[in-house]
Amino acid sequence: DIVLTQSPATLSVTPGDSVSLSCRASQSISNNLHWYQQKSHESPRLLIKYASQSISGIPSRFSGSGSGTDFTLSINSVETEDFGMYFCQQSNSWPHTFGGGTKLEIK
Amino acid sequence: QVQLQQSAAELARPGASVKMSCKASGYTFTSYTMHWVKQRPGQGLEWIGYINPSSGYTEYNQKFKDKTTLTADKSSSTAYMQLSSLTSEDSAVYYCARSEENGNYDWGQGTTLTVSS
Repeated sequence: DIVLTQSPATLSVTPGDSVSLSCRASQSISNNLHWYQQKSHESPRLLIKYASQSISGIPSRFSGSGSGTDFTLSINSVETEDFGMYFCQQSNSWPHTFGGGTKLEIK
Repeated sequence: QVQLQQSAAELARPGASVKMSCKASGYTFTSYTMHWVKQRPGQGLEWIGYINPSSGYTEYNQKFKDKTTLTADKSSSTAYMQLSSLTSEDSAVYYCARSEENGNYDWGQGTTLTVSS
């Protein structure tokens, strides 16, 4: 199975900061990597698909980059509504797998 | 708009089986695969498997293969997941999620399963 390792586990930031979240795959997954945000007691919400493709309705401050094994989700000028958990997911091969998540919290 | 309406929370006894549902609306049910994902409290996400509602084809994560049966009813646009021989390890939130090309997911609201005697 492909292992996705997210770092850091927790990121403490101040609103207005810009941040980068990392997702590293145990083998190449091309661009078959997707990012989700999950808030407490809610289901995940798709932010970025196929590493860098934007999603309708998602603020433009969210962007994604990377291919192969290294991927980054960037948030330009974090807002208070952005705090929560972020997961990456690979769809390159079965079984689909998820990263362990990065918790974005207020400093 | 697209909706995946999952069935209500379940309380089940150890050793029992449960069948939960995911009713789709706002899109052509047979044009997307339906995936199921497990999330235990405070833990990450585990992919269980998927079904192609058009053909009935299923693919399972080996970890859940003996535990899970996925089905779909095209007439009612509803996908089902049955979990058998329940233990406390099965207590979790279970999500259904549609996928257009077996890529990214659009998620239901989740069904909470509690296994307790």
